[in-house]
Amino acid sequence: DGGITQSPKYLFRKEGQNVTLSCEQNLNHDAMYWYRQDPGQGLRLIYYSQIVNDFQKGDIAEGYSVSREKKESFPLTVTSAQKNPTAFYLCASSIARTSGGNIQYFGAGTRLSVL
Amino acid sequence: EDQVTQSPEALRLQEGESSSLNCSYTVSGLRGLFWYRQDPGKGPEFLFTLYSAGEEKEKERLKATLTKKESFLHITAPKPEDSATYLCAAPSNSGYALNFGKGTSLLVTP
Repeated sequence: DGGITQSPKYLFRKEGQNVTLSCEQNLNHDAMYWYRQDPGQGLRLIYYSQIVNDFQKGDIAEGYSVSREKKESFPLTVTSAQKNPTAFYLCASSIARTSGGNIQYFGAGTRLSVL
Repeated sequence: EDQVTQSPEALRLQEGESSSLNCSYTVSGLRGLFWYRQDPGKGPEFLFTLYSAGEEKEKERLKATLTKKESFLHITAPKPEDSATYLCAAPSNSGYALNFGKGTSLLVTP
């Protein structure tokens, strides 16, 4: 089945530790995205990538880093510089049509908590 | 600044009691208005895309409509399994990412 796989489902971070969230898709989509969701808030964009080896910061990129070495994979690292990392993290993918209006398909999410 | 605003924040309906959810947007040059359903602890599931004023789309008990400034998600004779958070989104200036509203949390009781 085609889709987006995020792992792990739950993740715990100790203070000062970097953690990496995995996102893999087999939809053959060029564009991939990372969003953060907090209770009572909409989804906020962290980073997005339109093509391999290229990515752009979203609205809340500080304290996060990404890489896009393969079309299928877009891992997100939550660094120790992110002081409030507790949230639900969602990965999405879409085709990369420049006229916009591209349907984004989401993974099941990773819930990150601080120990 | 592009904005997407949803109302109400929460809605409680009895089974069979029809209602509508609202999504207003201030995006210039709209290139699609998206509706998603999100169940607790899961990722959003795509429902509809609307591109032009007057457009309507239906799926089971849900019907989405679009005007020049807002979209409505009409729920006809809802069932308890329709309980979820419904999210509305519009493309950002980049054309790729989506600006999401905060969602409407719908609870349908038997």
